[in-house]
Amino acid sequence: NAGVMQNPRHLVRRRGQEARLRCSPMKGHSHVYWYRQLPEEGLKFMVYLQKENIIDESGMPKERFSAEFPKEGPSILRIQQVVRGDSAAYFCASRNDREGEAFFGQGTRLTVV
Amino acid sequence: GNSVTQMEGPVTLSEEAFLTINCTYTATGYPSLFWYVQYPGEGLQLLLKATKADDKGSNKGFEATYRKETTSFHLEKGSVQVSDSAVYFCALAYSSYKLIFGSGTRLLVRP
Repeated sequence: NAGVMQNPRHLVRRRGQEARLRCSPMKGHSHVYWYRQLPEEGLKFMVYLQKENIIDESGMPKERFSAEFPKEGPSILRIQQVVRGDSAAYFCASRNDREGEAFFGQGTRLTVV
Repeated sequence: GNSVTQMEGPVTLSEEAFLTINCTYTATGYPSLFWYVQYPGEGLQLLLKATKADDKGSNKGFEATYRKETTSFHLEKGSVQVSDSAVYFCALAYSSYKLIFGSGTRLLVRP
């Protein structure tokens, strides 16, 4: 059973471009979380999704950021018109309904130049 | 609100030394408590957890006891190895939803 897969591992974008980060949860997991980690800091919750639904997006910036978890395919975190302050590591985690334990992917490290 | 406070790092130890990383939390009710470890360039891995008061989580020689009276979940290991060098995160959650992390403590173990 493959773990949580995130891609790309590294992403470089120029200011003003769009960044799309993908997360494929573990097989059988229908709950996905996105976290952001700034250098030398802890992880900050961004959004919690179940299949086709956003359950809690209280940690998402109101502008430029969006997330989805379609019925088919990976979860996508989209950042429009990126700025230097968006440079961070973005981690995805998934869990199933029964276990409750969250498993993390290896992250996507976004660098905005 | 809910929060987690960890001791600041880095913590530098010699191999085979005793490790304690302090973690205290603020929460209403009875959250589950976790320790995660992050190796360089990697994601977070669950190290251990405890779901109710007085539970002791343990894994790979690490232990932590859920202390409701002191709202603490300190991480301990009797004899650290160089391979334990990593960043350790304390976290809490209700029903495993929305993990709230501390800021992390970097551990450096020297041979």
